[in-house]
Amino acid sequence: AQSVTQLDSQVPVFEEAPVELRCNYSSSVSVYLFWYVQYPNQGLQLLLKYLSGSTLVKGINGFEAEFNKSQTSFHLRKPSVHISDTAEYFCAVSDLEADKLIFGTGTRLQVFP
Amino acid sequence: ETGVTQTPRHLVMGMTNKKSLKCEQHLGHNAMYWYKQSAKKPLELMFVYNFKEQTENNSVPSRFSPECPNSSHLFLHLHTLQPEDSALYLCASSLRVEGGYTFGSGTRLTVV
Repeated sequence: AQSVTQLDSQVPVFEEAPVELRCNYSSSVSVYLFWYVQYPNQGLQLLLKYLSGSTLVKGINGFEAEFNKSQTSFHLRKPSVHISDTAEYFCAVSDLEADKLIFGTGTRLQVFP
Repeated sequence: ETGVTQTPRHLVMGMTNKKSLKCEQHLGHNAMYWYKQSAKKPLELMFVYNFKEQTENNSVPSRFSPECPNSSHLFLHLHTLQPEDSALYLCASSLRVEGGYTFGSGTRLTVV
């Protein structure tokens, strides 16, 4: 069965600093990978996804993620964060056999002025 | 607006009440999902419907009763809930797994 690990439950960072949110998955087969963002009292919104092709994926709000097959990772990065990026971020991996997504436990990004 | 609409946005109910949560999508998706999100806990998948048929029930207590009359509508009927059932209930839909899920804004449920 697929699983997703988001090692950092919270990441504090100052405004305009770079940030990396880590995501590792367990799979021996091809997968699809996703990052979602959740603002307070809202649903999850798709930031970006990797299906195939270029390992560097660009998403909305200046975020990007890099797929690394050998390390089974899909870390999310932003070179300069804003206060408005404060939110919960979820990594998800496809389980193609069950035809569903498996979500990580989330990382709370807190941006300070 | 994501294309998945959940109503109501907020609900306060007593433990003896019966209420229903509604989810609606007109994205042409065939699968719909109910998730529970409690404070400081991971997302919990409750139910999955595919083409109106329930394909997954993750040991959810019977006080939660889902209904999917067609591929565009999903309900969650609630009765005799407990305070620990207070949470954000999220609905999502999808067409194919590679497209990801589209989530609604959720219903914030408080059981008193």
